[in-house]
Amino acid sequence: NAGVTQTPKFQVLKTGQSMTLQCAQDMNHNSMYWYRQDPGMGLRLIYYSASEGTTDKGEVPNGYNVSRLNKREFSLRLESAAPSQTSVYFCASSARDPPYGYTFGSGTRLTVV
Amino acid sequence: DSVTQMEGPVTLSEEAFLTINCTYTATGYPSLFWYVQYPGEGLQLLLKATKADDKGSNKGFEATYRKETTSFHLEKGSVQVSDSAVYFCALSDQDNQGGKLIFGQGTELSVKP
Repeated sequence: NAGVTQTPKFQVLKTGQSMTLQCAQDMNHNSMYWYRQDPGMGLRLIYYSASEGTTDKGEVPNGYNVSRLNKREFSLRLESAAPSQTSVYFCASSARDPPYGYTFGSGTRLTVV
Repeated sequence: DSVTQMEGPVTLSEEAFLTINCTYTATGYPSLFWYVQYPGEGLQLLLKATKADDKGSNKGFEATYRKETTSFHLEKGSVQVSDSAVYFCALSDQDNQGGKLIFGQGTELSVKP
């Protein structure tokens, strides 16, 4: 009964370093999403995957890449971290039909120094 | 498509009445959601409504989908300290946005004993 699992929970990077945020869901959901949350700005969509084998850009994709490894897993990669990418990152998943909303992971707090 | 919430933070005394305003713009017929985020956690679905005049309810919270005023205001008759959290209004328009959730900026609620 894990739902959506994100790793790591906390991470500090130096500017220019790379890292991958991992996300896995066990609900057999088709769609998966990566959001970032910044104070006063709500959640902004970075990338999403409507189904296994497809990925699309969201509102703020610059500086990120994603991989939908299989139906369960959807990773987010920062190739060269910048201080502007300091944020809390949330992964979510949903069944496409009907609109039941999303199930969220507990988040990754990333600091880039 | 967009979602606008009343600005926070909102501070109330225990047992007070709560209203958090939410209005939306959408080209289609979206589903509407309220999510809640407790400190240090991810977002949890609080309630939802999928068509006009539907009322979503959960844990004493209610919201009615008002198409004529494009609103989905969150209400609770008597708040508790444990309701202190950030509340997000969101919409999902399957026809025009592929089911992606679009969030408001969030409203922080603080309930004092």
